[in-house]
Amino acid sequence: QLQESGPGLVKPSQTLSLTCRVAGDSIKNDGFYWNWIRQLPGKGLEWIAYIHSSGQTYYNPSLKSRISVSMDLSNNQFSLELSSVTAADAAVYYCARSSIIVESRYFASWGQGTLVTVSS
Amino acid sequence: EIVLTQSPGTLSLSPGERATISCRASQTVRVIHLAWYQQKPGQAPRLLIHATSNRATGIPDRFSGSGSGTDFTLTITRVEPEDFAVYFCQQYSGTLPWTFGQGTKIEIK
Repeated sequence: QLQESGPGLVKPSQTLSLTCRVAGDSIKNDGFYWNWIRQLPGKGLEWIAYIHSSGQTYYNPSLKSRISVSMDLSNNQFSLELSSVTAADAAVYYCARSSIIVESRYFASWGQGTLVTVSS
Repeated sequence: EIVLTQSPGTLSLSPGERATISCRASQTVRVIHLAWYQQKPGQAPRLLIHATSNRATGIPDRFSGSGSGTDFTLTITRVEPEDFAVYFCQQYSGTLPWTFGQGTKIEIK
C-alpha cells in the first residue's frame, strides 16, 4: 500500500512538500518506478515524475523547473517538492507504483491521494 | 508529448446498456502501452485494463478494450450500477511524459 502525507494548505510562492510511505514492499526493489501524479479540481490526471531506487528520476517537462523527487530508503518512503506554488497547483496529489518493464509501466497501485489547497 | 483525447465527455446510460468510450492519440501508441482506469468520487483511479485489452486482476469480463495505432476503445457490454464513474485512458510508452486522457463520465440516464 501507498499513503501520501503532507500539509493540506500551502501559501502561494511557498514550497509544497509531500511524502509517500510504502508498506508491503520495499522501495529498494529495483523493479519499480515510484511516481507522483496529480488531479486538478474537476479535471484530468497529470503525471508529475518518477524516481527509481537507483536514484534515476524523470520529471514532466511542464513542471521540471519547480519539482524535485527524492527517496528515503531507511523509512521506505519517497517525497515530492514543488516550489513557487500558485493556485494552479491546487490538486489531489497521488503517489503510485509502476513496473520498470516497458510493457508494464501502467499504474497498478495508487495511494488514496492527498488534497492540497493553495491560499494565503 | 502524446496527447490523448477521449470522447464523449459524458455518457448518459441506463443500467444494462452498452458503453463505448473512445481514446484517440496524437501519435501512434503501441498496443502494449495503453491502459484504462476507473475512478469513483473520492477514490484514486483503479486500473481496469493494460496493454489495450488485458483486464487487470479482479476486473469483470464485461469490461473489454480494443484498438491499435491511434484509436483505442473501452467497452462495457452491460453497464452495472457500480460502473457509473469516470474513465481515463493512459499511455505509458517510451515517449515521456506519460499522459492521460481528460476522462469520460458515465452517468445514470
